[in-house]
Amino acid sequence: DIQMTQSPSSMSVSLGDTVTITCRASQDVGIYVNWFQQKPGKSPRRMIYRATNLADGVPSRFSGSRSGSDYSLTISSLESEDVADYHCLQYDEYPYTFGAGTKLELK
Amino acid sequence: QVQLKESGPGLVQPSQTLSLTCTVSGFSLTSNSVSWVRQPPGKGLEWMGAIWSGGSTDYNSALKSRLSISRDTSKSQVFLKMNSLQTEDTAIYFCTRGLGAGWGQGTLVTVSS
Repeated sequence: DIQMTQSPSSMSVSLGDTVTITCRASQDVGIYVNWFQQKPGKSPRRMIYRATNLADGVPSRFSGSRSGSDYSLTISSLESEDVADYHCLQYDEYPYTFGAGTKLELK
Repeated sequence: QVQLKESGPGLVQPSQTLSLTCTVSGFSLTSNSVSWVRQPPGKGLEWMGAIWSGGSTDYNSALKSRLSISRDTSKSQVFLKMNSLQTEDTAIYFCTRGLGAGWGQGTLVTVSS
């Protein structure tokens, strides 16, 4: 199975920060990476699809990028509503696999 | 708009079979896939399997021997059946359109005697 090694597992952040979360794929997954936001007690919400594409209704402060096998989600100028858990997903090869998640917490 | 809703028993006894239904609206099952994803309490997400627009299915190999996904397009419903449940199958079970383009609210399934 493809491993998606997500880092950091948690992060203490301040409003206005630029935050970057990374998933490293254990083998090539091309552009087939999605990013999800999940707030406590809620379902995940797709933020980025195919590594770099902003999902409908997602604020432009969110962006996705790829460098080799590293996939990143960046939040520019963090707002309070962005404090949540974030998950990456690779869907290039079965079984599709998620990263372990990143929890953002306010300082 | 796109909506998905999971339904099923909240409590299942060990070794028994779990049956869940995902009822969708706002999109067609013949044009969209539906995946099942689960999340143990306080843990990460696990892709379980999917049923594609043409009706074929794919499963997580770790669950394949126990898992079955099917659908009734006339009722806009997708079904999950998983047998031989154990306590480690306790989780919130979500259905999702495609690969996360829309999600149900999730349903907590507890495996306990």
